[in-house]
Amino acid sequence: QVQLVQSGTEVKKSGASVKVSCKASGYTFVDYYIHWVRQAPGQGLEWLGWMNPKSGDTKYVPKFQDWVTMTRDTSINTAYLELISLTSDDTAVYSCARAGQGRTEFDKWGQGTLVTVSS
Amino acid sequence: SSEVTQDPAVSVALGQTVRITCQGDTLRTYYANWYQQKPGQAPILVMYGKNNRPSGIPDRFSGSSSGDTASLTITGAQAEDEADYYCNTRDNDHVLFGGGTKLTVL
Repeated sequence: QVQLVQSGTEVKKSGASVKVSCKASGYTFVDYYIHWVRQAPGQGLEWLGWMNPKSGDTKYVPKFQDWVTMTRDTSINTAYLELISLTSDDTAVYSCARAGQGRTEFDKWGQGTLVTVSS
Repeated sequence: SSEVTQDPAVSVALGQTVRITCQGDTLRTYYANWYQQKPGQAPILVMYGKNNRPSGIPDRFSGSSSGDTASLTITGAQAEDEADYYCNTRDNDHVLFGGGTKLTVL
């Protein structure tokens, strides 16, 4: 069955970086875009951007452009989200989700990775 | 920049019908998708496109759109439908999420 399995909880200090992984199985990894979404505690869903696993092309929300990097390793069907210069405002659950090219319906989601940033 | 808005909270009596809406200019061009999220769980896609239900989603869920407003309707709401509901849609080559609607089933 289709699965997106993410790496575990991270606790970081302000100013640090973090890299979250999302391993895909049960489908052809390069056939679906990977999107990343975050959810701060008690808040709604916020889209960060997408990555095309086939080409490596990315599109980020402009305000996150200098903070987020999305990459992939097609040899192990894994997508990555790297965040730099973390602040307490970045404390959130970060989730990957897949969608077809040009599509916005996210039909499978990872379980989410909690990133906690402390000062 | 564009945005899509949702009512923060809606309630419905058990077995009754409820409509959850999502409003924004981009919805005049693109369809909305709908997600159900229960506490501590990942969102689940419950409706997408014009009126498409993923496999396994009960047929009491339906979708519609008119002008700048998309709607998710639950006909005969059940206790297990109590959750947060989010819409998302396309805005050029970006994705927008609504702020979410907390549905309470009374």
